[in-house]
Amino acid sequence: NAGVTQTPKFQVLKTGQSMTLQCAQDMNHEYMSWYRQDPGMGLRLIHYSVGAGITDQGEVPNGYNVSRSTTEDFPLRLLSAAPSQTSVYFCASSRGKTYNEQFFGPGTRLTVL
Amino acid sequence: SQQGEEDPQALSIQEGENATMNCSYKTSINNLQWYRQNSGRGLVHLILIRSNEREKHSGRLRVTLDTSKKSSSLLITASRAADTASYFCATDYGSGNTGKLIFGQGTTLQVKP
Repeated sequence: NAGVTQTPKFQVLKTGQSMTLQCAQDMNHEYMSWYRQDPGMGLRLIHYSVGAGITDQGEVPNGYNVSRSTTEDFPLRLLSAAPSQTSVYFCASSRGKTYNEQFFGPGTRLTVL
Repeated sequence: SQQGEEDPQALSIQEGENATMNCSYKTSINNLQWYRQNSGRGLVHLILIRSNEREKHSGRLRVTLDTSKKSSSLLITASRAADTASYFCATDYGSGNTGKLIFGQGTTLQVKP
């Protein structure tokens, strides 16, 4: 199993550009989440999904959209990139509500100029 | 706002010594988890302790949970240079048991050879 994969690993955007960060998992996990990690801030939850077709907001959802059309994929869209979105983005998945140990992808390092 | 707060923020010890990290949280939880993050990598799940458990062991790791004080501690015994990493606690506090996790800011551990 590949686990949780994320693409791209690195990305540089200009202010106002849009892009999609890809996340996929092959463990048939129901739950998927997106976090951003900033220096000294730990991880903050952006959006999460409890199953295909179901998404909800986390702590810092503004400026981001998600969709979950399949169990495997959970893309994160930046609508109009801003320098404040410069961060490292992690996708994670877990089996479900009770067994919610999360498996993390390797991260995407995004810089917005 | 973040649920968990780790203490200390940074810890430096010699190989062979024990390392203790603490985590405090604010609201009632279903479980508390500890993760490790090596520099530039995604997080790796270490151990989960449920709200009705007081202590749990996994190899050189010992986790305690005191729900009356809303705190947890992670003890790494006989530390090794390879334990150098950041350690995060995460709490499962979501209403309706959504399975989402809220992370603290982390403790950076340096183990000197």
